Amino acid sequence: QSALTQPRSVSGSPGQSVTISCTGTSSDVGGYNYVSWYQQHPGKAPKLMIYDVSKRPSGVPDRFSASKSGNTASLTISGLQAEDEADYYCCSYAGSYTLVFGGGTKLTVL
Amino acid sequence: QVQLQESGPGLVKPSQTLSLTCTVSGGSISSGSYYWTWIRQPAGKGLEWIGRIYPSGSTNYNPSLKSRVTISADMPKNQFSLKLSSVTAADTAVYYCARGAGIQPWFLPDVWGKGTTVTVSS
Repeated sequence: QSALTQPRSVSGSPGQSVTISCTGTSSDVGGYNYVSWYQQHPGKAPKLMIYDVSKRPSGVPDRFSASKSGNTASLTISGLQAEDEADYYCCSYAGSYTLVFGGGTKLTVL
Repeated sequence: QVQLQESGPGLVKPSQTLSLTCTVSGGSISSGSYYWTWIRQPAGKGLEWIGRIYPSGSTNYNPSLKSRVTISADMPKNQFSLKLSSVTAADTAVYYCARGAGIQPWFLPDVWGKGTTVTVSS
């Protein structure tokens, strides 16, 4: 069970859009529609932003959207705001009743 | 609104057993609708799923940690616990407990505790 692959960092200016990828295999991301995304600010616990590939929990702005194609899931943040600067992690069901996280992506708002 | 709070020693000696407890408030861990999960994060690194327990007592563990991990639940106290044996410096991390919600077999972590730092050092 290997960690999902995410870019170490991405950046964008306020108002722009950024996309964070999360690449796994057919045994995890590609095999199930069970992908979630988390936002983590420094020193804080992760916060659920997306579940079941593309669903937003109540209270999450619709600027956050997500999708999946094959073995790669993607999180897009549109209309970037300063408070979006954080680390983002994907998570997938990995079979055999286990879960696996991505290595995390640091989003910098320029 | 459910809340989770981790507790336990912040310092553990190498080769000993790390023991943490998660106290759940605002909801019952015996409700049968959720898994109760442990996740850790070494400083400056990513999240690692450790394992989870269902109210029935059924557990699932990360294969890389399975030989050293035990997750148990104390229903009357509304707590669940993590034991990690034979620890080394590589087990130094912030440990989070979380509620796993959803459907079989997914049960993604949706509500998290604030985390507790455990350092393995002599």
